[in-house]
Amino acid sequence: QLQLQESGPGLVKPSETLSLTCSVFGGSISSSDYYWDWIRQPPGKGLEWIGDMRYGGSPYYSPSLKSRVTISMDTAKDQFSLKLTSVTAADTAVYYCARHPRGSTYFDPWGQGILVTVSS
Amino acid sequence: DIQMTQSPSSLSASVGDRVTITCRASQSISTSLNWYQQRPGKAPKLLIYAASSLQSGVPSRFSGGESGTDFTLTISSLQPEDFATYYCQQSYAVPYTFGQGTKLEIK
Repeated sequence: QLQLQESGPGLVKPSETLSLTCSVFGGSISSSDYYWDWIRQPPGKGLEWIGDMRYGGSPYYSPSLKSRVTISMDTAKDQFSLKLTSVTAADTAVYYCARHPRGSTYFDPWGQGILVTVSS
Repeated sequence: DIQMTQSPSSLSASVGDRVTITCRASQSISTSLNWYQQRPGKAPKLLIYAASSLQSGVPSRFSGGESGTDFTLTISSLQPEDFATYYCQQSYAVPYTFGQGTKLEIK
């Protein structure tokens, strides 16, 4: 059974870069059949898709975050990563990694999520 | 971006009730609509994909429907574990967008 797990700092200072990693267990990210996604949820608010990437493909980013986001993959470790630059308090959220199949964009499974707080 | 509007934002119901949550898309999205359940402190869980297909392992009391740009999630007989927040999500176009959520509470 595929499982995803987010890791990274829980506290980031304003103007710095948020860096998170999603580790994939029970499967490989080296399949062109799936996209690997980042999604976030500010405390008490709704869900926002950040972007995705597929093995052998180019990443897609939400236009609202595109200038600050980079998603990359490390196939040797079955991990994919998120970098978000120039963070502000508005970037405080629970960050989830997830997967969706090529041709059908429903997110399943999801990681447990990691709370990242932007504060000095 | 495609806007997804859910109604109601919150709903009180009792165990055994039949409830329906609605999601309206700001433009045509065919049947590219998914539903998730989120319990407090947990990640969302996929319930329905492609408007009406039940995800494996999800109880059959959950069902999805669509009529044009309006989509519904129906729970036929509420169980205690169903009290949670529900989100719709369009998968028609990037950026993929979610509704604002419907919180289902115990009456």
